[in-house]
Amino acid sequence: QKEVEQDPGPLSVPEGAIVSLNCTYSNSAFQYFMWYRQYSRKGPELLMYTYSSGNKEDGRFTAQVDKSSKYISLFIRDSQPSDSATYLCAMSVGAGGTSYGKLTFGQGTILTVHP
Amino acid sequence: GAVVSQHPSWVICKSGTSVKIECRSLDFQATTMFWYRQFPKQSLMLMATSNEGSKATYEQGVEKDKFLINHASLTLSTLTVTSAHPEDSSFYICSVTMPKNIQYFGAGTRLSVL
Repeated sequence: QKEVEQDPGPLSVPEGAIVSLNCTYSNSAFQYFMWYRQYSRKGPELLMYTYSSGNKEDGRFTAQVDKSSKYISLFIRDSQPSDSATYLCAMSVGAGGTSYGKLTFGQGTILTVHP
Repeated sequence: GAVVSQHPSWVICKSGTSVKIECRSLDFQATTMFWYRQFPKQSLMLMATSNEGSKATYEQGVEKDKFLINHASLTLSTLTVTSAHPEDSSFYICSVTMPKNIQYFGAGTRLSVL
């Protein structure tokens, strides 16, 4: 079983739809949670960063962390064709952990928003 | 966030030659950088941790003599793929680590070995 599981999709939605992307994890030592967006043949771009359980909103994006269920989500409201990309969840352990500083990535979800 | 510059963006080389990829942190002094490899339609695979002023730490299964990493300053880490072969063709990406474990990535380097 992988430490981080992410549905690879692909996911295809019409413009304006609400998109829900999810990851589950098994390592209870994960303390930092991130969502990255990656366009084809480009490096990942940080979208959201969260530390504690709960919601964090930034424009059309909302990140949700539920540590008790080991489940994180990214919601995209009013999706646009420019949102078409691969979305990667990533997480890392807290200070003192043996892998501190390293990120563990999900497999990535390919999203297409069509006009 | 940190601005990370990676160069070149695309390199084509002949089998047996060596290729150097540069990763620069333009606005942050980075004691730690990471190097990743990514195959098409796959996630990022961590290759090594680049530590300023000391030897890099390689992940299991990554050949340290094949992938030479030098982190001579707080703003520059280099990855040299030595004696490259077609199976080394891939997308290589570096990242800079900031406080709270946030990583910012370079644009990546596409390596094609003929």
